[in-house]
Amino acid sequence: EIVMTQSPATLSVSPGERATLSCRASPSVGSNLAWYQQKPGQAPRLLIYAASTRATGIPARFTGSGSGTEFTLTISSLQSEDFAVYFCQQYNYWPLYTFGQGTKLEIK
Amino acid sequence: EVQLVQSGAEVKKPGESLQISCKGSGYIFTNYWIGWVRQMPGKGLEWMGIIYPGDSDTRYSPSFQGQVTISADKSINTAHLQWSSLKASDTAVYYCARLGGVGYCSSTSCSRAFDIWGQGTVVAVSS
Repeated sequence: EIVMTQSPATLSVSPGERATLSCRASPSVGSNLAWYQQKPGQAPRLLIYAASTRATGIPARFTGSGSGTEFTLTISSLQSEDFAVYFCQQYNYWPLYTFGQGTKLEIK
Repeated sequence: EVQLVQSGAEVKKPGESLQISCKGSGYIFTNYWIGWVRQMPGKGLEWMGIIYPGDSDTRYSPSFQGQVTISADKSINTAHLQWSSLKASDTAVYYCARLGGVGYCSSTSCSRAFDIWGQGTVVAVSS
């Protein structure tokens, strides 16, 4: 069974500060890891794929890192539009695509 | 513009059948796997299954195998998600999404993320 565990469940950060979100995979997923952002009432949006590559149009303040079992999404200098729910997802084990349970990033 | 446009919201009774759709445009529809994702009220994302419209090769999550049917009509660039007998627990928002971007991908396997998403279809099942 492939399990993606995100932490924390909720993260409170002030605008302008840095946010660090974690995603742990079991077993290893190599670099086949994506991050998505979802705002209320909207579809998810791809932010990062291949663990560290920003998708088209994603601002440079979003940085993905990690490989294997430990991954991090860092958002530097939080903007008001960044407060949302973030999901990680593995796509290493065809044809299974497993999401983490999400981290809600809220305004402190 | 590459986009996926889904059919509108549905209100159904338990036991009824339903098919929702996802129409792709702005790209070669038959060349990209399309997946379906469920989001129950206030919950996270659950991958349900994927289809390759070029030949209708379909794979299901073990959690959804036998519960839904995924199909595609390449003549109209549309993928479908179907239930034969709805339950109240099927109440959710359903998204279609394209496996795109960078990464190995063929008609038999794919290591890519979901790069384009539909707007979602709300399905409400209640007696």
